[in-house]
Amino acid sequence: AQSVTQLGSHVSVSEGALVLLRCNYSSSVPPYLFWYVQYPNQGLQLLLKYTSAATLVKGINGFEAEFKKSETSFHLTKPSAHMSDAAEYFCAVSDRNSGGYQKVTFGIGTKLQVIP
Amino acid sequence: DSGVTQTPKHLITATGQRVTLRCSPRSGDLSVYWYQQSLDQGLQFLIQYYNGEERAKGNILERFSAQQFPDLHSELNLSSLELGDSALYFCASSEGRGPPGELFFGEGSRLTVL
Repeated sequence: AQSVTQLGSHVSVSEGALVLLRCNYSSSVPPYLFWYVQYPNQGLQLLLKYTSAATLVKGINGFEAEFKKSETSFHLTKPSAHMSDAAEYFCAVSDRNSGGYQKVTFGIGTKLQVIP
Repeated sequence: DSGVTQTPKHLITATGQRVTLRCSPRSGDLSVYWYQQSLDQGLQFLIQYYNGEERAKGNILERFSAQQFPDLHSELNLSSLELGDSALYFCASSEGRGPPGELFFGEGSRLTVL
């Protein structure tokens, strides 16, 4: 079964600093990978997704992630943190179950704190 | 606004009781997923429906059941509630059946069991 591991349940950065949220995947086949963001009191929303078209994926709000097969990683980055980026970020992997239906498995989540 | 509607937003009940959580997916989406989010276990997949039929099961307890109706809305039934069932329950929908479909999440139903 495919899975993702997020390193660091809490990350703190200063406003204007680089944001780096780590995600490693486990998959026997080329995976579909996602980053979702959850703002306080809201549901999750898609930041970006990797579907093998390009290894560097750009998402909303200035975030991007790079798929590195050799490292089985899909880390999320943003050059300069903004206060509004404070949220919880989830890495996810999608594959098919035995019936051909999508199964999405989420990581434990990383809470990002931005310090003024 | 994701287009996914969940009711109720908040629910407080007692141990042993039964509750029903409701989800209306985005217009046109055939797949509905239920997830449980708790502090200690993160986001856990419970069950998935596609066009009215159950298509995948995750870590769903036998005390929990769900269904998707012909109009595609879905209900998650939680019975014999325990303190540990207190969590945020999310419904998500997607257009198709296979990956890599984006999931659109509702705002969740926060269940508190006292």
